[in-house]
Amino acid sequence: AQSVAQPEDQVNVAEGNPLTVKCTYSVSGNPYLFWYVQYPNRGLQFLLKYITGDNLVKGSYGFEAEFNKSQTSFHLKKPSALVSDSALYFCAVRDPSGGSYIPTFGRGTSLIVHP
Amino acid sequence: GAVVSQHPSWVICKSGTSVKIECRSLDFQATTMFWYRQFPKQSLMLMATSNEGSKATYEQGVEKDKFLINHASLTLSTLTVTSAHPEDSSFYICSAFTSGGTETQYFGPGTRLLVL
Repeated sequence: AQSVAQPEDQVNVAEGNPLTVKCTYSVSGNPYLFWYVQYPNRGLQFLLKYITGDNLVKGSYGFEAEFNKSQTSFHLKKPSALVSDSALYFCAVRDPSGGSYIPTFGRGTSLIVHP
Repeated sequence: GAVVSQHPSWVICKSGTSVKIECRSLDFQATTMFWYRQFPKQSLMLMATSNEGSKATYEQGVEKDKFLINHASLTLSTLTVTSAHPEDSSFYICSAFTSGGTETQYFGPGTRLLVL
């Protein structure tokens, strides 16, 4: 079975400060991990993914995420937040050893960046 | 990145009518398309998975006779909400997945359905 948790419903950060959106996962094998962002009344936009290789993954709009196997985490980070980063962020996991190609999405974290 | 479109983006209909939503992958062939439903401030709820040329696989609790899914080609899937009722009002999002090894779902912009 595969599952993912986003422990924070909302994250507040001041513009210019670093931001972190947390994600932890549970899978039987090695995970495929994804981050998506959703702006109001829009679909999800792909930010980045970890499949294999370097644990630090860089993605769109200056975001990055670090795969930590021992902590089963894949937190999303950005060194300096922008007001335009305010949106809903979803973490997703897929366990390729489970035989399914359907990822499981977290419940989402609302990021609010204050001017 | 790959582009997925949805049409219409907004639809308002009377109770009892049927509504068709189209999902197209514009620059790649999607072997699999997913249909999600999203309630305000909530996560995505997977409704069904469709593979080109075969019947859709519905998630538990989703009425297949109410939410008809057709995946007639590698670039087009449709979701028809039959005999819509106000409780069907929601934000419907499709996504497309290719087996080409990218392991990434690409999402459409969503369709807001309001049933009066």
